[in-house]
Amino acid sequence: QKEVEQNSGPLSVPEGAIASLNCTYSDRGSQSFFWYRQYSGKSPELIMFIYSNGDKEDGRFTAQLNKASQYVSLLIRDSQPSDSATYLCAVRANDYKLSFGAGTTVTVRA
Amino acid sequence: KAGVTQTPRYLIKTRGQQVTLSCSPISGHRSVSWYQQTPGQGLQFLFEYFSETQRNKGNFPGRFSGRQFSNSRSEMNVSTLELGDSALYLCASSRTGADSPLHFGNGTRLTVT
Repeated sequence: QKEVEQNSGPLSVPEGAIASLNCTYSDRGSQSFFWYRQYSGKSPELIMFIYSNGDKEDGRFTAQLNKASQYVSLLIRDSQPSDSATYLCAVRANDYKLSFGAGTTVTVRA
Repeated sequence: KAGVTQTPRYLIKTRGQQVTLSCSPISGHRSVSWYQQTPGQGLQFLFEYFSETQRNKGNFPGRFSGRQFSNSRSEMNVSTLELGDSALYLCASSRTGADSPLHFGNGTRLTVT
């Protein structure tokens, strides 16, 4: 079982719609959770982090965490063409190692 | 505030050679992590250094090694290069603490021919 799994893409959404990205993790002791965005040919950049169960909103992005289900998600509201990228879920376990999912590629259609 | 700096940006090596990649973290960041990114495998964790000590290690062969200096700068070395080592090598730094996110450099693109 992979440490971090993301829903396979690619995900194509029309401009203005909500993009929903999912991620599950295997280590129940994981402490902190991050979402990164990576444009083609660029390095990953942090867009959100969440540590506590529930929702966390930052602009058009909402991260949701459910530790009991070992599940974290990212919603992108009012999707824009500039949101077209690969989104990486990252999970930090007690040993401080940050493990990444394979990523979900999102394409926003104008 | 300067970001994470990786040098060189591009490298072309032949099989059997060795290579050293360099990473300067963000000022004040004491943890440096290295990742290998390939189209088929995604981001694979190589190792993490904190205060000059390797704190974590991924599942890579011993040909991959690293170190961290007292100023937190880090290097990784790959010996006896193989074609499969062609990848983007990313360095990332962070503050201490489990809630500290990683900040990535622009990466070193290694091509082994």
